[in-house]
Amino acid sequence: AQSVTQLGSHVSVSEGALVLLRCNYSSSVPPYLFWYVQYPNQGLQLLLKYTSAATLVKGINGFEAEFKKSETSFHLTKPSAHMSDAAEYFCAVTGTTGGFKTIFGAGTRLFVKA
Amino acid sequence: KAGVTQTPRYLIKTRGQQVTLSCSPISGHRSVSWYQQTPGQGLQFLFEYFSETQRNKGNFPGRFSGRQFSNSRSEMNVSTLELGDSALYLCASSFDVNTEAFFGQGTRLTVV
Repeated sequence: AQSVTQLGSHVSVSEGALVLLRCNYSSSVPPYLFWYVQYPNQGLQLLLKYTSAATLVKGINGFEAEFKKSETSFHLTKPSAHMSDAAEYFCAVTGTTGGFKTIFGAGTRLFVKA
Repeated sequence: KAGVTQTPRYLIKTRGQQVTLSCSPISGHRSVSWYQQTPGQGLQFLFEYFSETQRNKGNFPGRFSGRQFSNSRSEMNVSTLELGDSALYLCASSFDVNTEAFFGQGTRLTVV
């Protein structure tokens, strides 16, 4: 069965500092991996996705993530945090096992301090 | 193109009542998934529909049901509402389940 673990329910960084949000997945088949962002009272918006074309994936708003099969990880990074990055971030995995559903991690709330 | 539309945005219902939520996916998308989001449980998968067929269902009681119409619009129904059903219900549409999902803004259901 597929699963996603996000390490750290809350992460706090200073404006301008590196953002690192951790995600580990479990999947018996090559997975499709996604990062989504959710702002208050909004739905989720796709940041980036991994579909096996390249291990380093660049997304919107300066975010990127690296797929590391040996570590079963897909961590999200941004070199310099901005106040507008404060939101909740979800890692998700989907694939053909488990049948037609996307599994989301518990989410990591990012706080950005001025 | 128009995004995913969920109606209504907010609902207040009384315990024991039933509720129907609606989701209009992006034109051309045939996969519609529903999720329940609560502070304690995160995003929990409810079910996924593709071309009017339910392909997968999460671990929710039978009080939760859904359907999809020929135009891909989907509804979910919750009968005999309980206080614990209070949550943000999110609908996501995609071309298929392994492709990018586009989320609606959700319906916030409060059961009193």
